[in-house]
Amino acid sequence: LAKTTQPISMDSYEGQEVNITCSHNNIATNDYITWYQQFPSQGPRFIIQGYKTKVTNEVASLFIPADRKSSTLSLPRVSLSDTAVYYCLVGEAGNNRKLIWGLGTSLAVNP
Amino acid sequence: ETGVTQTPRHLVMGMTNKKSLKCEQHLGHNAMYWYKQSAKKPLELMFVYNFKEQTENNSVPSRFSPECPNSSHLFLHLHTLQPEDSALYLCASSQDRGSRDEQFFGPGTRLTVL
Repeated sequence: LAKTTQPISMDSYEGQEVNITCSHNNIATNDYITWYQQFPSQGPRFIIQGYKTKVTNEVASLFIPADRKSSTLSLPRVSLSDTAVYYCLVGEAGNNRKLIWGLGTSLAVNP
Repeated sequence: ETGVTQTPRHLVMGMTNKKSLKCEQHLGHNAMYWYKQSAKKPLELMFVYNFKEQTENNSVPSRFSPECPNSSHLFLHLHTLQPEDSALYLCASSQDRGSRDEQFFGPGTRLTVL
């Protein structure tokens, strides 16, 4: 099973760039890496997904090195509303795919 | 209504009660999921349905019984729960059952078992 490891918490300030790294040493060839965001009392919400190199959308960037054993979610110029828990999700290939969720990183953005 | 809806949003029940959680998705997706979210633990995938057929049951106790009458609706029937079953129960759906398929989550049902 491809497990993920993330920092439990991070602190930042408004306007800063935040980078959250996820380790997934046992990632399989066909696995994709997906990040979700969750606010209190809400379900998680998709942020970004990638397979290798770099992916960018209007919300974030995702950096994946060549060995794919880790990935970094980059949030540019965070605001107070970015305070949330961020989850790294790695899909597992095979007939019985299991989506493995990390413990999540609790990001606190301070004024 | 759009997206994924869940009812009720909050539920308090005794250990001898029987209750059901309801999930409905208006996205035309084929796969639906039940998750359990407890404090300080990862999201736990409980059940997966794809085209109304259950494809995964991740060692969930029999006091939790899922039902998927069609691709848009998913139920979780609860019976003789334990206090440790108190958690946020999240429903999600995705186009299909693959690691590339974005999951859309409902707001969850906050369950308290007394």
